[in-house]
Amino acid sequence: DTAVSQTPKYLVTQMGNDKSIKCEQNLGHDTMYWYKQDSKKFLKIMFSYNNKELIINETVPNRFSPKSPDKAHLNLHINSLELGDSAVYFCASSPKTTYRTYEQYFGPGTRLTVT
Amino acid sequence: AQKITQTQPGMFVQEKEAVTLDCTYDTSDPSYGLFWYKQPSSGEMIFLIYQGSYDQQNATEGRYSLNFQKARKSANLVISASQLGDSAMYFCAMRVFSGSARQLTFGSGTQLTVLP
Repeated sequence: DTAVSQTPKYLVTQMGNDKSIKCEQNLGHDTMYWYKQDSKKFLKIMFSYNNKELIINETVPNRFSPKSPDKAHLNLHINSLELGDSAVYFCASSPKTTYRTYEQYFGPGTRLTVT
Repeated sequence: AQKITQTQPGMFVQEKEAVTLDCTYDTSDPSYGLFWYKQPSSGEMIFLIYQGSYDQQNATEGRYSLNFQKARKSANLVISASQLGDSAMYFCAMRVFSGSARQLTFGSGTQLTVLP
């Protein structure tokens, strides 16, 4: 029943480790996103994929690598984790848009804590 | 580039009263959409309401309405008859419809507390 799901919901790890966050949507949407919400609650786009192709890559360190094996999945892999990577990461998806199609559907978020 | 400004970091409202959360935006694109999302303490992002730049009427969804003033570039959220469950962080966001980019640009949010 879940529209956009993320795993894990919580991730606690040590500096220097490599970790992945998985995202899946069952809405048939063709665009998926990763957003980062920092400790001050500010939300910012990281990546956007459209039909498995990278559309947006904001100024994100290259330790972050998104991977989209198919339209329904967009995973986020993070190498050499740093303390500053601690945040909540949201996956989202949206349908192919006409002017009137608009809503982005968000996953529940993954709270990453780097110690 | 798009920019969203929410100037109220925190707001308090008495239960059953109405409250307005401010949002101003900046874009040179003539075609855009404005969104409000609610984030309760549990963390999920809940879509509330949408307003398109060409929509003639202000959007309404139940107790939520959007006061869209295009010339002033403002898109304030009005919550009528506040309830305790409305206590949450509220984000204003925008996307433009030109090009292939579909991401949302968010404001810094307003923490609303409803008092009993």
